[in-house]
Amino acid sequence: NAGVMQNPRHLVRRRGQEARLRCSPMKGHSHVYWYRQLPEEGLKFMVYLQKENIIDESGMPKERFSAEFPKEGPSILRIQQVVRGDSAAYFCASSPPGIGTDTQYFGPGTRLTVL
Amino acid sequence: QKEVEQNSGPLSVPEGAIASLNCTYSDRGSQSFFWYRQYSGKSPELIMSIYSNGDKEDGRFTAQLNKASQYVSLLIRDSQPSDSATYLCAVIQSGTSYGKLTFGQGTILTVHP
Repeated sequence: NAGVMQNPRHLVRRRGQEARLRCSPMKGHSHVYWYRQLPEEGLKFMVYLQKENIIDESGMPKERFSAEFPKEGPSILRIQQVVRGDSAAYFCASSPPGIGTDTQYFGPGTRLTVL
Repeated sequence: QKEVEQNSGPLSVPEGAIASLNCTYSDRGSQSFFWYRQYSGKSPELIMSIYSNGDKEDGRFTAQLNKASQYVSLLIRDSQPSDSATYLCAVIQSGTSYGKLTFGQGTILTVHP
């Protein structure tokens, strides 16, 4: 049973470019969370999605950031016009529906570097 | 006051000793508590979850929860060098019916031979 998959694992972008981070949850999991870990800082919640719905985006910057989890395919975290301060590790976590939805399993992360 | 605070460390213990990691939280209504381990450059890995007051044991790991004191801890018995990592305390705060985790800053643990 494959775990949570994220790609790419490393992404380098120049300032002003777009970054697209993909997350495929564990099989049978329909809840996806995105977290960001800035250098020397803790993990911070960004957004929580279920299939085709954004449930909670309270941790996501209002500008330049968006997320989706379509009916088919992976969840996407999109960062437009990246700036150096976006350089961080972005982790996706998934959990199953129903009882136990608060137990999350993390993917390997995408390390974004903005030049 | 931070929502979730951990003893800053770093914590260094000899191999075979007990490592004690502590965490306090500000939201008295929090119901779900987790300990994750994160090796350098890797993703967080769930070690323990605890929901009720008292102790919960899993192998060499024991989580302790005291809701009255808003305190959760993790004990690692017979510490091994492979336990050297950053340990993250995470809490689901009240009013949240899903798994939105609030993390502490983490405590770096080093187990030396």
